[in-house]
Amino acid sequence: GDSVTQMEGPVTLSEEAFLTINCTYTATGYPSLFWYVQYPGEGLQLLLKATKADDKGSNKGFEATYRKETTSFHLEKGSVQVSDSAVYFCALSDTGTASKLTFGTGTRLQVTL
Amino acid sequence: ETGVTQTPRHLVMGMTNKKSLKCEQHLGHNAMYWYKQSAKKPLELMFVYSLEERVENNSVPSRFSPECPNSSHLFLHLHTLQPEDSALYLCASSKGQGDVNTQYFGPGTRLTVL
Repeated sequence: GDSVTQMEGPVTLSEEAFLTINCTYTATGYPSLFWYVQYPGEGLQLLLKATKADDKGSNKGFEATYRKETTSFHLEKGSVQVSDSAVYFCALSDTGTASKLTFGTGTRLQVTL
Repeated sequence: ETGVTQTPRHLVMGMTNKKSLKCEQHLGHNAMYWYKQSAKKPLELMFVYSLEERVENNSVPSRFSPECPNSSHLFLHLHTLQPEDSALYLCASSKGQGDVNTQYFGPGTRLTVL
């Protein structure tokens, strides 16, 4: 079945550092890929998405590129802020009759001054 | 978008209680979902409703009973829960089946079973 693997956290960075959170997936067919973010005490918010190979999703300075050849969708940001501290979830969606999201386990990011 | 609301935000209940969680979406979507989020585990999809019909039930114990009276409202009725059912319960909605089915989440209900 479909699965998503994320790097183990927590990831601790200083403000303005470069961020990479790795995500790889296993799926049949051609899934859509997502990054969601969960701030403390809140639900999940869609951060960005990509629907086909080589697409790049971007939002709020975050980017991720759909790499079919490496089955990856790594999240990057050039300069993180303290306000980016949260848990980040990689997910894929099949395109079947009842589209479902398969999530990774989440990666906690802690940004310090 | 923050068009999905959930009530209550926090709930503490005993193992013999009966309670209900409510979700409402204001996005005009046709599909709604319940997820369970436990510490150190991936999000678990519990139920999926599409056009008010249940299309997915991921082997969830019968002590959880969903109800979708219309496309804007989704309930999760709880009875005789166990302490291991303590978790964050998230509701989500999406436009519908197929294609890019982006899901939008509510803030969740933090459930504690004593």
